[in-house]
Amino acid sequence: DQQVKQNSPSLSVQEGRISILNCDYTNSMFDYFLWYKKYPAEGPTFLISISSIKDKNEDGRFTVFLNKSAKHLSLHIVPSQPGDSAVYFCAASVRGGSARQLTFGSGTQLIVLP
Amino acid sequence: DSGVTQTPKHLITATGQRVTLRCSPRSGDLSVYWYQQSLDQGLQFLIHYYNGEERAKGNILERFSAQQFPDLHSELNLSSLELGDSALYFCASSQGQSYGYTFGSGTRLTVV
Repeated sequence: DQQVKQNSPSLSVQEGRISILNCDYTNSMFDYFLWYKKYPAEGPTFLISISSIKDKNEDGRFTVFLNKSAKHLSLHIVPSQPGDSAVYFCAASVRGGSARQLTFGSGTQLIVLP
Repeated sequence: DSGVTQTPKHLITATGQRVTLRCSPRSGDLSVYWYQQSLDQGLQFLIHYYNGEERAKGNILERFSAQQFPDLHSELNLSSLELGDSALYFCASSQGQSYGYTFGSGTRLTVV
């Protein structure tokens, strides 16, 4: 049972344009959401996060939007740069408990074309 | 360099064998998490240790076990290996039990 889904395995965007990566979740108990970026031969690196009490969080060129009613979040990258080419993972966590294990989606490969 | 060190980077072994993957967390981090990434899959949470104690278990097989030592490094032991255990195994660390994970670069295990 995939609780976090990234339905687009890959996305190609022209340099300078907007990249929009999507993520859907099924567990209504999730209350914190994160995006990680992963380059080949490296571990994932944290990019941006959002709490369920917000619907938008912005950090430079990166903005995450959360639509709780639709159980959907998206990552916008504007403008896209070739260095943004990587696999992007959406992740979610449930409040409470003693651990902060994350449930990850399967990732979207972003290719930014020069 | 993220500060989280995983060894070895690559491991090839035969079915039925046992291997040990090692993780050294960032200096000062007390929590260690293990994740498995199989082909075309997201990262699956395996287990979490905090300051030497097991705090949570995820989808970890009984053939797998882990521990965190007094110096805070952690080892993931995989036994009776099967072809399906071939995957990338990531370790991550954080200071407390926070969301601020730092991942290592992973160990790629290939079972032949």
